[in-house]
Amino acid sequence: EADIYQTPRYLVIGTGKKITLECSQTMGHDKMYWYQQDPGMELHLIHYSYGVNSTEKGDLSSESTVSRIRTEHFPLTLESARPSHTSQYLCASSPGTGSRSSNQPQHFGDGTRLSIL
Amino acid sequence: KQEVTQIPAALSVPEGENLVLNCSFTDSAIYNLQWFRQDPGKGLTSLLLIQSSQREQTSGRLNASLDKSSGRSTLYIAASQPGDSATYLCAVAYNQGGKLIFGQGTELSVKP
Repeated sequence: EADIYQTPRYLVIGTGKKITLECSQTMGHDKMYWYQQDPGMELHLIHYSYGVNSTEKGDLSSESTVSRIRTEHFPLTLESARPSHTSQYLCASSPGTGSRSSNQPQHFGDGTRLSIL
Repeated sequence: KQEVTQIPAALSVPEGENLVLNCSFTDSAIYNLQWFRQDPGKGLTSLLLIQSSQREQTSGRLNASLDKSSGRSTLYIAASQPGDSATYLCAVAYNQGGKLIFGQGTELSVKP
């Protein structure tokens, strides 16, 4: 069963709209991540967080922003959606600091497939 | 630049065959390497994680090996089944932070 939840699963929306993709996890994990995946392509990290009030940009430049006000919640926001934002967005989490917990696998949500018209 | 490459991009085998998926990485100073499975329209499911100090990990019919010196990992699937059909992704972490660099995946189809 899923311990990390993403909503919505699918979103088709017009250009210029503000969008928030939700991600929540019930495992108490400190680390959370957002990845972007285009069809047939590899996942690219766009944002990550190591705990409350900690957010960093990933390796792939993105116009989206994130926040981490609560441990379990890591929403991603696009202020003004464009067709170039069409993609699948995957959220993941993993346990916190320390070498032991760092060698734990990441848990992924089912993703949000976003289509901007 | 740290890159992860997976070969082949796609593989089709008859049911019951043993098969090997390959993953190579350009920077051998890895922290750990993970293998994931992705079903169509779904997120990723972790299969195996190999720490940098380990040579292999096993789970059921799956065995993953790691050779840091050559920058390679393999995922061995024994006695393949149609339910194994999915895309298999290799990902490398270079520090405790957990940021992963992914390969493009191998799309596996197991025919009944």
